[in-house]
Amino acid sequence: RKEVEQDPGPFNVPEGATVAFNCTYSNSASQSFFWYRQDCRKEPKLLMSVYSSGNEDGRFTAQLNRASQYISLLIRDSKLSDSATYLCVVNRGDSGYALNFGKGTSLLVTP
Amino acid sequence: AAGVIQSPRHLIKEKRETATLKCYPIPRHDTVYWYQQGPGQDPQFLISFYEKMQSDKGSIPDRFSAQQFSDYHSELNMSSLELGDSALYFCASSPVGQMNTEAFFGQGTRLTVV
Repeated sequence: RKEVEQDPGPFNVPEGATVAFNCTYSNSASQSFFWYRQDCRKEPKLLMSVYSSGNEDGRFTAQLNRASQYISLLIRDSKLSDSATYLCVVNRGDSGYALNFGKGTSLLVTP
Repeated sequence: AAGVIQSPRHLIKEKRETATLKCYPIPRHDTVYWYQQGPGQDPQFLISFYEKMQSDKGSIPDRFSAQQFSDYHSELNMSSLELGDSALYFCASSPVGQMNTEAFFGQGTRLTVV
């Protein structure tokens, strides 16, 4: 079982739609949580960190539930440029230095 | 702003050959990670270094080795290459003394083993 599990994709949504991605992690010692975005054949890029209190960055909202070991990402008013793979990322906890990635959820926003 | 630099960007090798990938972290980042991403797969953690010492080990094959040098750049050495080693190899770095922080990725080296 992978340490980070994500919703299977792909998600195909029209422009302007709201879409939510979910993620669960298995290591209760994990302390850092992120959403990364990866475009085809490019490097992963940090979208946002995820904090226990929840955080928002423009159209993007991330939530963390430590008790359930669950992370979410909400994208409002989807744009064509949001089409990418979204990776849920959790640090390894015990060692603290390395990050474990989920398999990613593919999003395609259509006109 | 300076980013993580990886070289070469593309590499083609034959089976059983060796390859060396290089990574130059963002200035003042002391932690380096190596990841392998196969086609259609998520990045798999291979190995990491903190202050020139190996800090964590993931699914790195015994045929691979890596080190971090005094200038903090890192090299991933791959021997007895197999077809299955064909993948995108990413290096990432993190800031000084900040555990539990995000990693910044280089553009990757695309290795093709033929």
